[in-house]
Amino acid sequence: DSGVTQTPKHLITATGQRVTLRCSPRSGDLSVYWYQQSLDQGLQFLIQYYNGEERAKGNILERFSAQQFPDLHSELNLSSLELGDSALYFCASSVDAGRAQYFGPGTRLTVL
Amino acid sequence: AQRVTQPEKLLSVFKGAPVELKCNYSYSGSPELFWYVQYSRQRLQLLLRHISRESIKGFTADLNKGETSFHLKKPFAQEEDSAMYYCALRGDNFNKFYFGSGTKLNVKP
Repeated sequence: DSGVTQTPKHLITATGQRVTLRCSPRSGDLSVYWYQQSLDQGLQFLIQYYNGEERAKGNILERFSAQQFPDLHSELNLSSLELGDSALYFCASSVDAGRAQYFGPGTRLTVL
Repeated sequence: AQRVTQPEKLLSVFKGAPVELKCNYSYSGSPELFWYVQYSRQRLQLLLRHISRESIKGFTADLNKGETSFHLKKPFAQEEDSAMYYCALRGDNFNKFYFGSGTKLNVKP
């Protein structure tokens, strides 16, 4: 078990709504990454935090935002949800930037 | 721009046959490349990284800068190798990782 936890496991919501996905990194890891995996697509890097600070942004929509708290857990906020936002959202953590990442089990978001 | 391409969505081989999962990348500089694996109902996990030059579960991968490739190989596939395999590259912003779309390996008995 890699130690990265994500809640909830599944989330079903309607278009236009707002949801928050939560990630707790492995003990000792300061870096948190968020990825989106849509059907038949690879992992798309969204955003990365290191010790509370945003360090890198990928293909993250303006409707999405994230933050990392002092206890190092992270939340990904998705607003004005659209059908196309339905996907698996993975969180990963690492000791520091650039090191191998350990992945959580993912949150499956379904937007109806 | 950084990019990782895995040309095969699905690769089926028989048990005991050699297997090669292809990965090509686009990067200007010194890349760091990884292979991740996701077994059924398990989370994505690191299989190997090129800088370690190691063999994990019989798999090896060599970075070929001339061909910009990082193919994953195993001489004799086992049924338990059936999984999704993702090639990943660490970009020039050391905080960004780029993943390929994945190859599903199916090892038949």
